[in-house]
Amino acid sequence: EADIYQTPRYLVIGTGKKITLECSQTMGHDKMYWYQQDPGMELHLIHYSYGVNSTEKGDLSSESTVSRIRTEHFPLTLESARPSHTSQYLCASSVMDGTDTQYFGPGTRLTVL
Amino acid sequence: GESVGLHLPTLSVQEGDNSIINCAYSNSASDYFIWYKQESGKGPQFIIDIRSNMDKRQGQRVTVLLNKTVKHLSLQIAATQPGDSAVYFCAERQGGGNQFYFGTGTSLTVIP
Repeated sequence: EADIYQTPRYLVIGTGKKITLECSQTMGHDKMYWYQQDPGMELHLIHYSYGVNSTEKGDLSSESTVSRIRTEHFPLTLESARPSHTSQYLCASSVMDGTDTQYFGPGTRLTVL
Repeated sequence: GESVGLHLPTLSVQEGDNSIINCAYSNSASDYFIWYKQESGKGPQFIIDIRSNMDKRQGQRVTVLLNKTVKHLSLQIAATQPGDSAVYFCAERQGGGNQFYFGTGTSLTVIP
């Protein structure tokens, strides 16, 4: 069982609001990831990090930003939420052991009205 | 981007039967594959993995088969149980790369 947590689990918010989705893991994994997943669709990588002070953009263009100040914490921020941001956001982490097997958190389901 | 697709979007099986979920990938350089299970309202959960230098790997009630010739991956679940009902994703990683590419997913429904 992976120890990776996301808060909030569900969020309904109005357009224009700033939001931060929290992700933390207690496994000491160096690599962390954020994926966006629409219902019934595949996961799309939006951000990843190799470690502290490392952040990279994924394949899917996103208006969100991330930070990695501590190994265990990888928050994702939307400065101004829009209805097009409505989706599920999944955080994952992996250890750099040659496989990079990713362990996922439970996800945050975001609805922007 | 990479193409990781599943042949069937939905699959229904009787409890106790075996299930086979298929996945096609397009990049011959992919060196590592994972099957994930995602239950409703939860994040994907690791089931089993396989490296490209293997053809078959077995876990508890699950077997993954890799056919590199036709770029095909399958997940076999033995004696399927109601708790196996979920969406199953395959994910591939390009050789030496840092990113995984996920398929759309197959929804498995187990009929009691």
